[in-house]
Amino acid sequence: DQQVKQNSPSLSVQEGRISILNCDYTNSMFDYFLWYKKYPAEGPTFLISISSIKDKNEDGRFTVFLNKSAKHLSLHIVPSQPGDSAVYFCAARGVYGQNFVFGPGTRLSVLP
Amino acid sequence: DVKVTQSSRYLVKRTGEKVFLECVQDMDHENMFWYRQDPGLGLRLIYFSYDVKMKEKGDIPEGYSVSREKKERFSLILESASTNQTSMYLCASSTTSLAGGLFFGAGTRLSVL
Repeated sequence: DQQVKQNSPSLSVQEGRISILNCDYTNSMFDYFLWYKKYPAEGPTFLISISSIKDKNEDGRFTVFLNKSAKHLSLHIVPSQPGDSAVYFCAARGVYGQNFVFGPGTRLSVLP
Repeated sequence: DVKVTQSSRYLVKRTGEKVFLECVQDMDHENMFWYRQDPGLGLRLIYFSYDVKMKEKGDIPEGYSVSREKKERFSLILESASTNQTSMYLCASSTTSLAGGLFFGAGTRLSVL
C-alpha cells in the first residue's frame, strides 16, 4: 500500500500560470517532506523541503504548503516556465526512518 | 560540487547474466541507497546502507544484493538478471540524519533481454 500518493499522473499548464502539484500521505509519523524534480535520463534533483513544524516554505518561484491535519502537501510554481517541464516526486521521511518514501510522480508539462 | 557517480549510463544484458552496478559518492556521506524507477510506480527502495559493510533491505530486495566495502562506494548486484529487472536504477547518498535529503546520481538505464 502506497504511503505517499500523487494522484495526478500528469498536469499541463500554460506558461506564466500557476502549477499546483499535490501529494497525500498516510503515515502521521512522517516529519520531513521534500520535492524532487527529474528530467529524462537524469537523476532527481532536490527542489524544496518542509519540516512538519511548518506549514509553508518558499524559495523563489517554488512554495510548498503542508496541511498536517489533512496529511496533504502541495507544490506551487509561479510563474510556470517551459523549463519546469519534468516529473515531480514528493518524498517523506519518518521520525524513526532511515530513508525516504517516494510518491509515483506527476509529469508537469508547461506549454509555451 | 557534490557528486554521486554511477559507472554506467546505459547497460544491455542477457537474461541470466550477473550484473554489477557501481556507485561512488564524494561527500563522505554515511548513508547510501539504491532505488529503481518505473513508470507509474515512482522510486522504490531496493537496499540501503548506513555504514561500511552494513546493509538493510528496502521494499523490493528480491533478486538483488549489495556490497559496501568502502564508505564512498555502494554496489548493486543482480545475481541472475531477468527481464523484469529492466529499469532505471538510481543511486543516492545522504547524511545520517537525512537532513538536506538525498543526492542522486544520473541513473543507469538497464535493459535485460
